[in-house]
Amino acid sequence: NAGVTQTPKFRILKIGQSMTLQCAQDMNHNYMYWYRQDPGMGLKLIYYSVGAGITDKGEVPNGYNVSRSTTEDFPLRLELAAPSQTSVYFCASNDWGSGNTIYFGEGSWLTVV
Amino acid sequence: TQLLEQSPQFLSIQEGENLTVYCNSSSVFSSLQWYRQEPGEGPVLLVTVVTGGEVKKLKRLTFQFGDARKDSSLHITAAQPGDTGLYLCAGYETGANNLFFGTGTRLTVIP
Repeated sequence: NAGVTQTPKFRILKIGQSMTLQCAQDMNHNYMYWYRQDPGMGLKLIYYSVGAGITDKGEVPNGYNVSRSTTEDFPLRLELAAPSQTSVYFCASNDWGSGNTIYFGEGSWLTVV
Repeated sequence: TQLLEQSPQFLSIQEGENLTVYCNSSSVFSSLQWYRQEPGEGPVLLVTVVTGGEVKKLKRLTFQFGDARKDSSLHITAAQPGDTGLYLCAGYETGANNLFFGTGTRLTVIP
């Protein structure tokens, strides 16, 4: 089983460039999440989705956009990349909001120079 | 504003020692989870606690959810080098659909 798949694994961006981090899950989960993790720190929620066509902001949404056109895919868009967006990005999914195991992708390492 | 504060932030102990990690908040959580994360990987779920006062054991790890469902602790007995990692608590705030993570505790167990 693939689980949660993120691409790319590593990326270097120049300031002002844009890019999309892809995330796909094959478990038919309705909830999907994007987190960022700065070195040695916990995860901060960027955006989440409770189903296709529904997205909502998390703790740190500024500078990012998401869409959820299908149950499987939840891409994260970075517009006008800034050095403060250098981080590790994790996509995750689960079956419903409370109490169920959340499955994480392997992470995407992004550096903005 | 950080919903979940963990302490200590860093912990380095000798193999065989016991330790406790704390996760505190002013918010009430419908459930709270503990994860461990290895370098270069995503977090992996260890346990979910749902009921106030609940205690769960996973081999040498004991997890407790506070009576008011605002805090939790993780106790490790006779720590081993394999316990080394970043421990994260995470909670579903009552009425919310998203999972908030704590600040993390980086544990190093020295052989």
